[in-house]
Amino acid sequence: EVQLVESGGGLVQPGGSLRLSCAASGLSFISHAMNWVRQAPGKGLEWVSSISGSGDYTYYADSVKGRFTISRDNSRNTLSLQMNSLRAEDTAVYYCAKADCDSGVCRLMDYWGQGTLVTVSS
Amino acid sequence: DIQMTQAPSTLSASVGDRVTITCRASQSINIWLAWFQQKPGKAPKLLIQKASSLQRGVPSRFSGSGSGTEFTLTISSLQPDDFATYYCQQYSDDSRTFGQGTNVEIK
Repeated sequence: EVQLVESGGGLVQPGGSLRLSCAASGLSFISHAMNWVRQAPGKGLEWVSSISGSGDYTYYADSVKGRFTISRDNSRNTLSLQMNSLRAEDTAVYYCAKADCDSGVCRLMDYWGQGTLVTVSS
Repeated sequence: DIQMTQAPSTLSASVGDRVTITCRASQSINIWLAWFQQKPGKAPKLLIQKASSLQRGVPSRFSGSGSGTEFTLTISSLQPDDFATYYCQQYSDDSRTFGQGTNVEIK
C-alpha cells in the first residue's frame, strides 16, 4: 500500500524559510514523478511543484517560482520542498502526491499524503 | 495557463438525488481530466481519471463524461458518504490546474 507522510510544517515569520519532507513507502519511488499541492484555509487546491522520478526535471507554479525548490532523495524515498522568502499567502496545508503515468502523460496525482500545515505570520 | 471553471460552487441535495457537476476548460484538454473528492480535514481522493475511468474501489454511482473542454461528474443516487467537496483537475499541460471546487451539501 502506498503511504506518503509529510512533515516539517509549522509557524514561520514572513520572509523566513521552511523545509517540508515527504516520506514515501509501498512504491518504487524512483519510478514515479512527485508533486506538492497546497490548500489555503477554506480555499481550493493549488498545484505547487513537480519533479521527475530521476530528479532531472522540475516544474513550478508561477506563484512560487524562484522562492521554492523541489528535490528528492531516491536512496531514502524522500521528497522535499525548500520554501524561502515566505509570504502570508503561502499559508496552507501542503500535500505531497504521487504521479501516475498514462500514454506518456505523467501528471495524474493518484495518491496523496495527509498534509502538513504551514503558517506564515508575525 | 489552462483555466478550469466548475459549476455550481455549492449544490444542495438530498439522499437519493441525482447530482451533476460540470467542469469547463479554457482550451481543449482532450480527456486529461481527473475528479477528486475531499472531506473536511482530509486529503483529496482520486475518483475518476481520463475523464471517465473510475478508480478501483470507487462506487459505480459515480461516473464521468466529456472530452475537449466540457466535462461532467454525475452521482446517480447521492449517499450520506458523498457529502463533500469535489474538484476537477486538468493534467493536459504542466500547469495542472484545479477547478475552484463544488461543495455538495445536505438540503
